Amino acid sequence: QVQLVQSGAEVKKPGASVKVSCKASGYSFTGYFIQWVRQAPGQGLEWMGWINPNSGGTKYAQKFQGWVTMTRDTSISTAYMELTRLKSDDTAVYYCAREGNTVTNGHDAFDIWGQGTMVTVSS
Amino acid sequence: QSALTQPASVSGSPGQSITISCTGTSSDVGGYNYVSWYQNHPGKAPKLLIYNVSKRPSGVSNRFSGSKSGNTASLTISGLQAEDEADYYCSSYRSSSSWVFGGGTKLTVL
Repeated sequence: QVQLVQSGAEVKKPGASVKVSCKASGYSFTGYFIQWVRQAPGQGLEWMGWINPNSGGTKYAQKFQGWVTMTRDTSISTAYMELTRLKSDDTAVYYCAREGNTVTNGHDAFDIWGQGTMVTVSS
Repeated sequence: QSALTQPASVSGSPGQSITISCTGTSSDVGGYNYVSWYQNHPGKAPKLLIYNVSKRPSGVSNRFSGSKSGNTASLTISGLQAEDEADYYCSSYRSSSSWVFGGGTKLTVL
């Protein structure tokens, strides 16, 4: 079936980096954008950015520019999100989600979500 | 960049209908028909309920419906059931190929 499976929970110290993976299966990985969204404990959803797995092109939310990097490896249908210079308020569940259509460059909604990856930043 | 505005909480009794609003600007909700709604149970990944303002994905109950007027979108849940108790988020495509979420609405089924 169509699914996104994310890597496991991480515990990091302030100032470190974290790289979360998102493996797609059941559909054409390069045919859809991969979006990244995070949710801090007790808080709402926050959009971080997207990657076009077909071209490698990216778009980051202004807040994350300069400290997030989204990449992909098409040979294993996997997208990655790396966040650097972690702070305690980066503690959150990070989700990847499928969206839109890279062939038509069309957009619609985040229809398939990964299970989430808990990242805890603590000294 | 500001989030879309949603009421913090709504409530209703089983069988009743409720509506959750989502207010943005002409640069997001009012400018595009890429408004979507998500249901989020604690500890679970969000689930897509409505996309492109009013379309339902396969498998989503027809008790959920969406609409839009100007810069405000709405989600209506009819025939409230206990399992509808969850957080609900709206989202919209925004100019410059970006996206924005609402702050979320906690639905309590009394």
